[in-house]
Amino acid sequence: GAGVSQSPRYKVAKRGQDVALRCDPISGHVSLFWYQQALGQGPEFLTYFQNEAQLDKSGLPSDRFFAERPEGSVSTLKIQRTQQEDSAVYLCASTLGYQPQHFGDGTRLSIL
Amino acid sequence: RKEVEQDPGPFNVPEGATVAFNCTYSNSASQSFFWYRQDCRKEPKLLMSVYSSGNEDGRFTAQLNRASQYISLLIRDSKLSDSATYLCVVNGGTSGTYKYIFGTGTRLKVLA
Repeated sequence: GAGVSQSPRYKVAKRGQDVALRCDPISGHVSLFWYQQALGQGPEFLTYFQNEAQLDKSGLPSDRFFAERPEGSVSTLKIQRTQQEDSAVYLCASTLGYQPQHFGDGTRLSIL
Repeated sequence: RKEVEQDPGPFNVPEGATVAFNCTYSNSASQSFFWYRQDCRKEPKLLMSVYSSGNEDGRFTAQLNRASQYISLLIRDSKLSDSATYLCVVNGGTSGTYKYIFGTGTRLKVLA
C-alpha cells in the first residue's frame, strides 16, 4: 500500500499480558517513529529508528516497552506485563530524511 | 513549561468565520514547523509546513515568528468540514532534528 500500515487497529488485553503492535512504513522510508497518544493529548515521542538502528529510545516509559526493526522496514513495539496506564493509541510514522512524517491509523490499546 | 503549547479550545465558530490559532515553542533552536490536522479517532495528517516567510494554501495561512517563538494558523471562510483538532508540531534543535514535539492540539468546531 501507499501509506503507513499498522496492525491491529484495536487491541484489548488483560493487565499483565504482553502485546505486540506492528508497523509497516512507507516503502523506502528510512526513518520510523513510534508515538503514544493519550485521550485529549498530542502524540508523545517514544522511539526512533533509522533503518534497523534504534537511535533514540528516550521516550519509552519503562523497561516494559521494547521496539525493534530488524531488517530496516517493518517495526514491532512490544509491551510486556501491560498496565492500565498503557491504554492509549500507539501511532507509527515514517519519513524520508527531514520531510514531514506520515502517520499510520494507529493501534488503540485498551488494558482491562 | 511544555516545549510546545497550544490553547486546547474548543473554538466554536460559525460557518464562514475566520479563526486563528497560535502555538508557542520554547526551543529557540527549533528548525522545522508544521500544522497537522487530526479528526476524531483518526491519525494526524499534515495540513501544511510553516515557512519563515509565511505561506498560504487556499483558505489556510501559516506564519512563523522566530523572535517571539510562535507559529500561527489562520483559517478563512470556515467550513463544517474544518471541524477537527489542529496540532502544532515543532522539530529540530537540541531535542534532535528528527524528533517531533507536538502540542496538545486546539479543537475547532464549525457550526452551521
